[in-house]
Order: sequence, then C-alpha cells, then structure tokens
Amino acid sequence: GQNIDQPTEMTATEGAIVQINCTYQTSGFNGLFWYQQHAGEAPTFLSYNVLDGLEEKGRFSSFLSRSKGYSYLLLKELQMKDSASYLCAVRGLTGGGNKLTFGTGTQLKVEL
Amino acid sequence: NAGVTQTPKFQVLKTGQSMTLQCAQDMNHEYMSWYRQDPGMGLRLIHYSVGAGITDQGEVPNGYNVSRSTTEDFPLRLLSAAPSQTSVYFCASGQGAITGELFFGEGSRLTVL
Repeated sequence: GQNIDQPTEMTATEGAIVQINCTYQTSGFNGLFWYQQHAGEAPTFLSYNVLDGLEEKGRFSSFLSRSKGYSYLLLKELQMKDSASYLCAVRGLTGGGNKLTFGTGTQLKVEL
Repeated sequence: NAGVTQTPKFQVLKTGQSMTLQCAQDMNHEYMSWYRQDPGMGLRLIHYSVGAGITDQGEVPNGYNVSRSTTEDFPLRLLSAAPSQTSVYFCASGQGAITGELFFGEGSRLTVL
C-alpha cells in the first residue's frame, strides 16, 4: 500500500517563495507527481519526478529524494492566482503507467 | 479538442436510486479511471481500466460498477445510491508510463438524500 502525508494548509505572501513538503511510504515506487487544483475545478498536472533531484519548470520546481521518501514543490514569485490546493501523488509498480495514489492536498493561501 | 468530458455535472438522487456517470475522452488514451473527492480525504481511486475490456478495482470500489467496451468511454454506475456516496466524482485518462500524466474531467457533483 501507499501512505502520503502533506500539510493541510499553508499561508504565504505575494511575491515570496513557498515550499510544500510531501512524504510517502510505498511498497513500490515509480514516480511522484504534483497537481494543482483551484476551488471547484479539476486537478491539473504540474510536475513529475522519477529520479532524485530537482526539476524546474518556470516558477515551479519539484524535488525528489527516493531514499528519504520525500518530495517538495517550490513556488517562486507567488501570485494571488497560486492560491489553490496542491496535491502530491505517487505511482506504484502495478496498474499500468497512470495509476496514482493522491495525498489529501495542501491548501495554499496567498495574501497581499 | 474536448479532452475528458463528464456528464452530468450535477445530480441529486434519493437513497436507493441508481444512476450512471458518463465519461468520454477523445485523446485515444488507454488508461481511464474514476476518483471521488471528499473534504479532508483527498482523491480516492474507485475503479480503473488499462484498456478496452479490462477493468480493476481501486481503493474504494464498493457500491460502484464500471465497464470499458470502447477505448473512449468509461461509465461509472451507482447500483443503489447511499448518502455516503455524496461526493464530487472525477474521471481521468492517461497514456503511457513515460510521464504518467492524468487528464481530468471537470467533475460531477452528486448528492444523495
């Protein structure tokens, strides 16, 4: 099985940097994903890590340490539109290439 | 390109009624899945399919049936609705293990009275 933990809520200031952590325990690991979900909308894909290290995509970066079962999502130059829930998800070794188990999400509030 | 289309967007049922949530994708994705999302519980996998004619159970399958007769469609059937099935349901599809990215429909909000 898989167990995923992330903070429930975070608050940050516009223009600042925020780091959202995710820890996981899994019997088989084949990738870690971050999704963004605005209130009342569907989740949308942000990033994917399968090897250790940092993946950068514009203002968003994601880091993975497989030995520690740890990932973080880094958001730079925060904007009000970044207020959303950020979902950490793990892919295991079974169920094809798209079967993901999600954490409960971190609700990020960006304030002026 | 429509992506993943779910219908209906909103539905109110009485306990014991049955209904089907429809999901269609036009991206030729082999993988399709259904999640439910409840406050404080996150997205939980109900059923999934890795191709036409193949379905499997996820984390919370009880009370739901699925079938996959075509690549495009993956309907979710509630056999006898219960208040515990009040939730927002998302259909998602994906293609391949390279990125594993899932594409989600807009969601269907179901209330069971």
